[in-house]
Amino acid sequence: EAGVAQSPRYKIIEKRQSVAFWCNPISGHATLYWYQQILGQGPKLLIQFQNNGVVDDSQLPKDRFSAERLKGVDSTLKIQPAKLEDSAVYLCASSLQRTGVDEQYFGPGTRLTVT
Amino acid sequence: AQSVTQLGSHVSVSEGALVLLRCNYSSSVPPYLFWYVQYPNQGLQLLLKYTSAATLVKGINGFEAEFKKSETSFHLTKPSAHMSDAAEYFCAVTFTGGGNKLTFGTGTQLKVEL
Repeated sequence: EAGVAQSPRYKIIEKRQSVAFWCNPISGHATLYWYQQILGQGPKLLIQFQNNGVVDDSQLPKDRFSAERLKGVDSTLKIQPAKLEDSAVYLCASSLQRTGVDEQYFGPGTRLTVT
Repeated sequence: AQSVTQLGSHVSVSEGALVLLRCNYSSSVPPYLFWYVQYPNQGLQLLLKYTSAATLVKGINGFEAEFKKSETSFHLTKPSAHMSDAAEYFCAVTFTGGGNKLTFGTGTQLKVEL
């Protein structure tokens, strides 16, 4: 079974530029998550999708971050404009459902550096 | 709100020695607890999880953890460290009805020395 795919793996941009990350979850997984992992910290949930609907985006900085999951499969996360403090690894994860304790499977992440 | 605290951002052990990584949780409802491992430039991999069944949970790669409600702890152990165990370890918490949303600790970097 193929795992969670993410691209690009690395991205360097200047502040005020825009950037987009892509995630393809495990086939059949209804729930998709985007996490931000700042160096030295644990992952922080930014947004959670159930199929193509948002179920939690309470920690997403909506003035600059946006995400979509059209057709309930793959997803994109966008930052516009980027700030220095957005430098982090952006992890995508998926799970079969969002009931109880369904295991979340993580992709390798995209490391973003904002200069 | 739920939270986890991982004591010790860096732990160093000798190969063959006991590994003990500490995690304490805070939760107003019965928690579900997890340990994840992250190797360099990779995503997180589930080691084990506690879901209110047996309090002693065995995971992959010889790791285990014990849920102690009285101490609000879920420490991760392995009897004998191997060089391949060097990685970062994260404790995480969620709860029934929590929508499968995980709250992670700040992580513990494990170094294994010869």
